[in-house]
Amino acid sequence: QVQLVQSGAEVQKPGASVKVSCKASGYLFTNNYLHWVRQAPGQGLEWMGIINPSGGSTQYAQKFQGRITITSVTSTGTVNMELSSLRSEDTAVYYCARTSSRGGMDVWGQGTTVTVSS
Amino acid sequence: EIVMTQSPASLSVSPGARATLSCRASQSISSNLAWYRQKPGQAPRLLIYGASTRATGVPARFSGSGSGTEFTLTISSLQSEDLALYYCQQYNDWPYTFGQGTKLDI
Repeated sequence: QVQLVQSGAEVQKPGASVKVSCKASGYLFTNNYLHWVRQAPGQGLEWMGIINPSGGSTQYAQKFQGRITITSVTSTGTVNMELSSLRSEDTAVYYCARTSSRGGMDVWGQGTTVTVSS
Repeated sequence: EIVMTQSPASLSVSPGARATLSCRASQSISSNLAWYRQKPGQAPRLLIYGASTRATGVPARFSGSGSGTEFTLTISSLQSEDLALYYCQQYNDWPYTFGQGTKLDI
């Protein structure tokens, strides 16, 4: 079945970087764009960026420009999201999600908790 | 950036009742709107795309309507499993943006 499986929880110190991975399976990896969305504790959903696995082009939310890098590895069907210069406000659950060809995000990863604490 | 505004912030309803959730866009997004349900501790689930089309496997009690800047999600005959947060999201333009959510209490 179609699924996105994310890497495990992370604890990082302020100023450090974190890399979260998302492995796709059950469909042709290059057919669908992949998003990253985060959710701080008790807060709503925040769109961070998107990648086209076919070619690697990206779009990032202005808020994260300069701190976020999203990459894809076609050979393994994996998308990675790296966020640098971490601060406490980056503590959140980070999700990857697949773009449906008909609109919206139709498949989501299980979420990865990132905690930023000294 | 397109701002999505949902109302109400929370809604208390009885089982079997009907709930109507609203979402407004700060500029026209045509029908490029999706609705999601997020149960506690879970990832969001796509309910509606294209403003009015149910995603695969979504029960018929969920319906969406609207275009341009005003959108509605209607849940008829509420069930206990519908206790959740509901988000709208526009995908008309970068950056994709979500509403702040509506919490449904049964």
